[in-house]
Amino acid sequence: NAGVTQTPKFQVLKTGQSMTLQCAQDMNHNSMYWYRQDPGMGLRLIYYSASEGTTDKGEVPNGYNVSRLNKREFSLRLESAAPSQTSVYFCASSEVGQGNQPQHFGDGTRLSIL
Amino acid sequence: GENVEQHPSTLSVQEGDSAVIKCTYSDSASNYFPWYKQELGKRPQLIIDIRSNVGEKKDQRIAVTLNKTAKHFSLHITETQPEDSAVYFCAASHPGFQKLVFGTGTRLLVSP
Repeated sequence: NAGVTQTPKFQVLKTGQSMTLQCAQDMNHNSMYWYRQDPGMGLRLIYYSASEGTTDKGEVPNGYNVSRLNKREFSLRLESAAPSQTSVYFCASSEVGQGNQPQHFGDGTRLSIL
Repeated sequence: GENVEQHPSTLSVQEGDSAVIKCTYSDSASNYFPWYKQELGKRPQLIIDIRSNVGEKKDQRIAVTLNKTAKHFSLHITETQPEDSAVYFCAASHPGFQKLVFGTGTRLLVSP
């Protein structure tokens, strides 16, 4: 099992460009998440998908869109990148069970916007 | 919504000492409290978690305690080793939601 796989690992964009961050999990998890991590601010939830076909906003959704393509894949799109979106982006997934379940993270995408 | 505060932001200990990291949460309905360890440049990895029906949980050198009345929980690492050096994050989650709210992290440095 690869767990949670994110692509690309690194990306440099110019302001105004668009791009999609890809995430796939092979653990048959129902729930998937996108976080951003900035120095001194911990992990902040951008969007999440509790199950296939549903998506909801998290704490910092502005400037982002998501697509839950199927049960395995959850993508994050930046339509018009801004320097404030320079960050490390983590995708995570979890089971749905009795009570909350642990989230498993991918290796992250390091995104720089010039 | 839920708010999680974490202290200290940095913690330096000598190898073999104990380390304690504390978190407080605001939503009394939160019932799931995981701790993640993140080494430099790596993914966060779950090291231990506790649910609100339990006051303490141990796993070898790591323990977590929960005080529901005071709305705080703590991570205890005993006999620290240099490989324990990392950033540790606490988090809290409300029942019925799969969302986690994270603290801002504690950078632990264990010196040989």
